[in-house]
Amino acid sequence: ETGVTQTPRHLVMGMTNKKSLKCEQHLGHNAMYWYKQSAKKPLELMFVYNFKEQTENNSVPSRFSPECPNSSHLFLHLHTLQPEDSALYLCASSHLVGSSYNEQFFGPGTRLTVL
Amino acid sequence: RKEVEQDPGPFNVPEGATVAFNCTYSNSASQSFFWYRQDCRKEPKLLMSVYSSGNEDGRFTAQLNRASQYISLLIRDSKLSDSATYLCVVNGGEGNQAGTALIFGKGTTLSVSS
Repeated sequence: ETGVTQTPRHLVMGMTNKKSLKCEQHLGHNAMYWYKQSAKKPLELMFVYNFKEQTENNSVPSRFSPECPNSSHLFLHLHTLQPEDSALYLCASSHLVGSSYNEQFFGPGTRLTVL
Repeated sequence: RKEVEQDPGPFNVPEGATVAFNCTYSNSASQSFFWYRQDCRKEPKLLMSVYSSGNEDGRFTAQLNRASQYISLLIRDSKLSDSATYLCVVNGGEGNQAGTALIFGKGTTLSVSS
């Protein structure tokens, strides 16, 4: 596999369920990201990881819990979500060179529906 | 929070037309600039980086004006397949402070018709 992969591609869950989204990058990058994109809204950055360390958390509710076990894998654990959390969740990766982030490469996203 | 502003459009143009998109950014410390393309219900994909001297890739030309904090994308000879949302993206870097990721604009929608 090449590039950035995400699983599952589609997910329907109830508000009391617990699920996890998975992202894997095969590009040798050292930074990974989670974004949320709701219908007709811009990308919202959720979390940033550099070398497995979380460096940004953009006021994301605790019902979203990221995990980065190594620089190639990123998870987003979901529990007790709300219907307004339904969106496209995109993972991306990039190189961090010095203090500059290079261009990001996105996975195909997980389309999440919360009932 | 630092912002990236774009005209949302939509821009409706006939095939063969030339169309230009503009973008302004608020952080004068930004160092990297990109245009991304996003098709409906798909992920964003890098279209081109934007360099200080301006750069061209086939029918696409990107320009940067640091003094005015302004980026542009010009598409010549529009094709039906150019229909998409174009995202202006800026590095939110604050000097040597690490941990500041890219900031995406809301996008400009282009519709090319035959």
